[in-house]
Amino acid sequence: ETGVTQTPRHLVMGMTNKKSLKCEQHLGHNAMYWYKQSAKKPLELMFVYSLEERVENNSVPSRFSPECPNSSHLFLHLHTLQPEDSALYLCASSQVVRTDTQYFGPGTRLTVL
Amino acid sequence: KQEVTQIPAALSVPEGENLVLNCSFTDSAIYNLQWFRQDPGKGLTSLLLIQSSQREQTSGRLNASLDKSSGRSTLYIAASQPGDSATYLCAVRGSGGGADGLTFGKGTHLIIQP
Repeated sequence: ETGVTQTPRHLVMGMTNKKSLKCEQHLGHNAMYWYKQSAKKPLELMFVYSLEERVENNSVPSRFSPECPNSSHLFLHLHTLQPEDSALYLCASSQVVRTDTQYFGPGTRLTVL
Repeated sequence: KQEVTQIPAALSVPEGENLVLNCSFTDSAIYNLQWFRQDPGKGLTSLLLIQSSQREQTSGRLNASLDKSSGRSTLYIAASQPGDSATYLCAVRGSGGGADGLTFGKGTHLIIQP
């Protein structure tokens, strides 16, 4: 256990559905991240939050909408996704951005039908 | 744009061997480099973090080196065990603006044969 939890672990949704992924860190960290891991591609950074403020948006389509209500919780709201969005979505946290070790959650396996 | 390459993509060796995994990156302006392992269907476990000012880090049977000027890092695994079987990922954190996340390689899929 890394101290970062993600729910749900698996999600199947249609292209017209709206769903949310949740991440919670129990480490007292100030920075949180969303990454996408697709088959045969490197992990891709999606969003970075530092002290609840979004500091990086890595050219992610607007059908992905992040929310960070406090330093312990991070959400990824999904709507009108495409089948190519099927992937493992990983959340991570670190004490501060930029210099610290990142700790990853187990991920949410998303399938878009 | 930073690119990270890992060689080999896959490796299968008998138990007990020492082995080296390679990572290269195109932009030497980095804050740090991190090695992770990922077990099938699971998240990432951090193994070693090397700051840009450091040359190497050691943890148990693992040793990671960093040559920032040449854009290379190696992960050395001594006396490999079947439990070391996993995908090993190299990631760098850039020092430029707007580069607070990690850039990953595709990984080396390692199998240690009993």
